[in-house]
Amino acid sequence: SQKIEQNSEALNIQEGKTATLTCNYTNYSPAYLQWYRQDPGRGPVFLLLIRENEKEKRKERLKVTFDTTLKQSLFHITASQPADSATYLCALEGSSYKLIFGSGTRLLVRP
Amino acid sequence: GAVVSQHPSWVICKSGTSVKIECRSLDFQATTMFWYRQFPKQSLMLMATSNEGSKATYEQGVEKDKFLINHASLTLSTLTVTSAHPEDSSFYICSARGTGQQETQYFGPGTRLLVL
Repeated sequence: SQKIEQNSEALNIQEGKTATLTCNYTNYSPAYLQWYRQDPGRGPVFLLLIRENEKEKRKERLKVTFDTTLKQSLFHITASQPADSATYLCALEGSSYKLIFGSGTRLLVRP
Repeated sequence: GAVVSQHPSWVICKSGTSVKIECRSLDFQATTMFWYRQFPKQSLMLMATSNEGSKATYEQGVEKDKFLINHASLTLSTLTVTSAHPEDSSFYICSARGTGQQETQYFGPGTRLLVL
């Protein structure tokens, strides 16, 4: 069956460093992959979408890579700030534009 | 742009009562809206897909008679939890997909439901 894995352990880093989060998937060949940010008690906020024919996408301090051979996406936040602390969800495209979400990785950026 | 609202933001009700949650796209027309449920420290689980003017499509294991969905207009979808029980307590989140960027979903702020 289809499976999406994100590191369930929180990622704790120092302000200014680069945060790297991983999303792995199996039994799946998505046409695109998305990353969302979710703060406690709030709905997810869309960050970036990357298609299967794109290797990398950037938006300000964010960078996403998509390796369809490894079945993996990496999400990077450069020059991290305490305000970046949140849970980051990866989501893969299912049928009929449905999204299938990973369980998310919590990022903590220490000042 | 692409703002989605939900109402109410939180609700507490007695077991056996019904609760209605509204999801609105404020600045765009949403041909499709999605309803999710999220339990603590878990990811979002899709409950149903709602298309304007047609019946909702429910995911496997979701009772359509318990979770009534109505998508009466291009900017409004409602989820009614009928005869709610404590196990229905959860965080309910809707999302809307516009006609432009069809792959991206814009999420509402969520509704916290507590059934006593």
